[in-house]
Amino acid sequence: SQTIHQWPATLVQPVGSPLSLECTVEGTSNPNLYWYRQAAGRGLQLLFYSVGIGQISSEVPQNLSASRPQDRQFILSSKKLLLSDSGFYLCSGRDIDTQYFGPGTRLTVL
Amino acid sequence: GQQVMQIPQYQHVQEGEDFTTYCNSSTTLSNIQWYKQRPGGHPVFLIQLVKSGEVKKQKRLTFQFGEAKKNSSLHITATQTTDVGTYFCAGPNSGAGNMLTFGGGTRLMVKP
Repeated sequence: SQTIHQWPATLVQPVGSPLSLECTVEGTSNPNLYWYRQAAGRGLQLLFYSVGIGQISSEVPQNLSASRPQDRQFILSSKKLLLSDSGFYLCSGRDIDTQYFGPGTRLTVL
Repeated sequence: GQQVMQIPQYQHVQEGEDFTTYCNSSTTLSNIQWYKQRPGGHPVFLIQLVKSGEVKKQKRLTFQFGEAKKNSSLHITATQTTDVGTYFCAGPNSGAGNMLTFGGGTRLMVKP
């Protein structure tokens, strides 16, 4: 199984400020990793996935980017946040047939 | 591309009533998974169904995978307030990255 760590748990940022959310994974080497965003009361929107170090695939074009500098580290970034970037960001890892999710970061952009 | 749809989007029930959420895929699935997300929490894996027509039970929860492996259902008998949350189904995406395609979820609210 996997344990997904995410921080911070909550974040309030002004429009135009940068963003860096970090995710680390325990329990599996070379996991497939994912960033999802969930708007309030809505489903899961896949933003990025990574099958290995330095390998990032984007599912939705936007002002966010992702990086995977180490096998078990996945980072979500933005140079300038928009109001529409508010949401619940979930890091996730895949272990055989199960998807594990981190506790999430609730981002509010004001 | 592949689509996974869930109905209903919301459901209010009185505690003790039964609840069912339905999941339909636009493509045949090799398996289907169900997740539960409590309010303010993150999705947690509940179960995976693999075989055509498979039925699995977890206490008051009954999961079913359709014969054609394109639909699934989750039935909760005699709901309790602890069942409150959003239930998501998900199926493997045929694309790269070993991704899952999630349904939009059914949000269950239980009145005590």
